[in-house]
Amino acid sequence: VQLVQSGAEVQKPGGSVKVSCEASGNSFSAFYMHWVRQAPGQGLTWMGWIDPNSGDTNYAQNFRDRITLTTDTSINTAYMELRWLRSDDTAVYYCARLGIPSAILWGQGTLVTVSS
Amino acid sequence: DIQMTQSPSSLSVSVGDRVSITCRASQDITNYLIWYQQKPGKAPRVLIYDASTLETGVPSRFSGSGSGTDFTFTISSLRPEDIATYYCQQYDDLPLTFGGGTKVEI
Repeated sequence: VQLVQSGAEVQKPGGSVKVSCEASGNSFSAFYMHWVRQAPGQGLTWMGWIDPNSGDTNYAQNFRDRITLTTDTSINTAYMELRWLRSDDTAVYYCARLGIPSAILWGQGTLVTVSS
Repeated sequence: DIQMTQSPSSLSVSVGDRVSITCRASQDITNYLIWYQQKPGKAPRVLIYDASTLETGVPSRFSGSGSGTDFTFTISSLRPEDIATYYCQQYDDLPLTFGGGTKVEI
């Protein structure tokens, strides 16, 4: 089982980005999908989670106005869309199954660069 | 939000050294703590969960201890492949929060 994310993106300030995360295997709906980001040379910041079964979401306060998490269970894929991008949104974005500590799984990360 | 304070932020060590990193939570998180290892350009890798349970396949030189608010991560005898940044993360409550990281260098 692995999580495979979409490729690197370059976006302009004020724009938006949508990162995908495809899960192999047949357990996609069994785990909440979390999103975490890491700015260059910085630590890890949790952004939110989505329940693929219900579509319920929980967003970190700092992103609540700009983030949307969705899933397409027919293709075992989760999406993270971030709007109104700023230069300080430049980061590696990870999808991850973080809900069960003994079964944690991370995607490989997607670099999003925000630059004019 | 639960704040995770990790120390030191960096550590200069030698092969064979015993390495200890601490993580303090701003409130009681019982044992809901994970320790990760991250190498440059890679996703974090789980080493320890539930504060002291070694993840499958992780060498026994890694260990974790503590409960409540104070936790310790130890490498009993550092190997060259252990050069990395280490993070703690609490999962007692949302938002999930991470320590600031400890960069272990030779």
